[in-house]
Amino acid sequence: QKEVEQNSGPLSVPEGAIASLNCTYSDRGSQSFFWYRQYSGKSPELIMSIYSNGDKEDGRFTAQLNKASQYVSLLIRDSQPSDSATYLCAVNSGGYQKVTFGTGTKLQVIP
Amino acid sequence: DAGVIQSPRHEVTEMGQEVTLRCKPISGHNSLFWYRQTMMRGLELLIYFNNNVPIDDSGMPEDRFSAKMPNASFSTLKIQPSEPRDSAVYFCASSLQGIDYEQYFGPGTRLTVT
Repeated sequence: QKEVEQNSGPLSVPEGAIASLNCTYSDRGSQSFFWYRQYSGKSPELIMSIYSNGDKEDGRFTAQLNKASQYVSLLIRDSQPSDSATYLCAVNSGGYQKVTFGTGTKLQVIP
Repeated sequence: DAGVIQSPRHEVTEMGQEVTLRCKPISGHNSLFWYRQTMMRGLELLIYFNNNVPIDDSGMPEDRFSAKMPNASFSTLKIQPSEPRDSAVYFCASSLQGIDYEQYFGPGTRLTVT
């Protein structure tokens, strides 16, 4: 079983819709959870961090964490074509600063 | 403030040659990570340092790969000899211990070994 799992997609949503990206993880002791956005040919960019159960909102982005279900998600409201990218879920698996990345979900926002 | 700096941005070399990738972390950050990204395997952690000390190098594929961090502002990843299967994008990232593991990535080095 992979430590961090994501659906590779592509996930296609129309412009203006809500995009929902999901991630599951295997280590129940994980404490910190991240969403990175990676445009084609670019480096991963940190967009959200979440550390406690519940929702965390930042602009059009909402991260949701459910530790009991070992599930973290990212909602993007009012999706824009510029949101088209690969979204990587990352989880702190214990030990210093190390995090484990999922393989990413490719999001396509259709104008 | 400057972000993570990597050089070179692109490297094309022939099989068997030595390749050295360089990274300057964000000033004040005390953890540094080297990743490799390919379409097939995604983003893989190769090695990471904390306060210039290698903590986990279990991701280094084989003895041809080595990494050093002689001081807080510089790290190298060396491949000797290089092979075509080493072709990938290599990222360096840094973080500040105590800030909940947030990592910030450099622009990457695209390595092509022919």
